[in-house]
Amino acid sequence: KAGVTQTPRYLIKTRGQQVTLSCSPISGHRSVSWYQQTPGQGLQFLFEYFSETQRNKGNFPGRFSGRQFSNSRSEMNVSTLELGDSALYLCASSLVPGTGEGEQFFGPGTRLTVL
Amino acid sequence: AQKVTQAQTEISVVEKEDVTLDCVYETRDTTYYLFWYKQPPSGELVFLIRRNSFDEQNEISGRYSWNFQKSTSSFNFTITASQVVDSAVYFCALRPAGGSYIPTFGRGTSLIVHP
Repeated sequence: KAGVTQTPRYLIKTRGQQVTLSCSPISGHRSVSWYQQTPGQGLQFLFEYFSETQRNKGNFPGRFSGRQFSNSRSEMNVSTLELGDSALYLCASSLVPGTGEGEQFFGPGTRLTVL
Repeated sequence: AQKVTQAQTEISVVEKEDVTLDCVYETRDTTYYLFWYKQPPSGELVFLIRRNSFDEQNEISGRYSWNFQKSTSSFNFTITASQVVDSAVYFCALRPAGGSYIPTFGRGTSLIVHP
């Protein structure tokens, strides 16, 4: 069974640009969550999608947005990039949302560098 | 507000030593889930365990064991007879069982196992 895939794996952008990251969950998983990991702030929850609906959102500015498609694939978009957006962006999928009952499986992440 | 504290930033041991990673949490929720994840150098978070706040039984899985003590708000993780492959960053996380479901992660403990 294929795991969670994230594309691209590495990305370099300049300040002010926008970026779109993609996540394909494990087959059959309908919940996708996104996390940002930085040395300064650690691991932080961005948002969670289930059945194309955003269920939860972390404390991030509106420049961070996401969506989920009918096939459960998800994208996240960051507009007007800032230097502080440089991070490892992790995607996780699970059968059910909330991860209370469902184990989350993480992808390898997308390393975003903003110059 | 939730808080997860992993006071040990880095632990260095020699192979075959036992090592305990500490996790202390704060929450006002009465029901919640606690997690441990392993992040090897490749960057992908690997789920290790989920514990429901109602279940204070300790758990053992091979060389891994977890000690959950609600009275002290701690959820410690012990690796017995450590191996070089255990070298990674380990994260403890807390997630409410209701409401926002937004998880909070500790800053992680970097475990280095020397041969």
